[in-house]
Amino acid sequence: AQKITQTQPGMFVQEKEAVTLDCTYDTSDPSYGLFWYKQPSSGEMIFLIYQGSYDQQNATEGRYSLNFQKARKSANLVISASQLGDSAMYFCAMTHPTGGGNKLTFGTGTQLKVEL
Amino acid sequence: DAGVTQSPTHLIKTRGQQVTLRCSPKSGHDTVSWYQQALGQGPQFIFQYYEEEERQRGNFPDRFSGHQFPNYSSELNVNALLLGDSALYLCASSLAQLHERTDTQYFGPGTRLTVL
Repeated sequence: AQKITQTQPGMFVQEKEAVTLDCTYDTSDPSYGLFWYKQPSSGEMIFLIYQGSYDQQNATEGRYSLNFQKARKSANLVISASQLGDSAMYFCAMTHPTGGGNKLTFGTGTQLKVEL
Repeated sequence: DAGVTQSPTHLIKTRGQQVTLRCSPKSGHDTVSWYQQALGQGPQFIFQYYEEEERQRGNFPDRFSGHQFPNYSSELNVNALLLGDSALYLCASSLAQLHERTDTQYFGPGTRLTVL
């Protein structure tokens, strides 16, 4: 069975600083995808970044990058130059194609607060 | 380019009643997934629809059922509501890429269901 672990319930970061949100995963499947989503207080889940298990390079999307360490089964999200609008809940999630479906398995999330 | 839409935004029901939630996928998407997010937790996968059939299901009782229409929109039905069904219900859409490893799911704003 797949499992996602996020060990940081809450994080604080100063505006313009970088922050790393931790994520470890557990799966026996060789093919899988890793995702990060942002959930503001409004509730909508916003897709940030994707990393495939066979991708050789770490994914980057603007100020977001994913530090993918396959042997350690970790997929940490790095946010550079934090902004006040980055304050939100962040979820790490995993999927792997099986039986035609691709359900997402989520972690418990990390609440990020960006301070002035 | 319209994103994923859900209706209604909020809903209040009493125990034992039935509820129907609706979702329209992002333009060009053909797959719809439903998730339940209880307060303070990560989303839990309910089921996924593709080509008007349920192709994957999570660990939810038969009280939870769904449907996908020819235009790819979807409904989630919950019968015999319990207090524990109070949650944010998220719909996500994606494009089935049957020869790819995965396909990114994009979420709607959610329907907040309160069961009294």
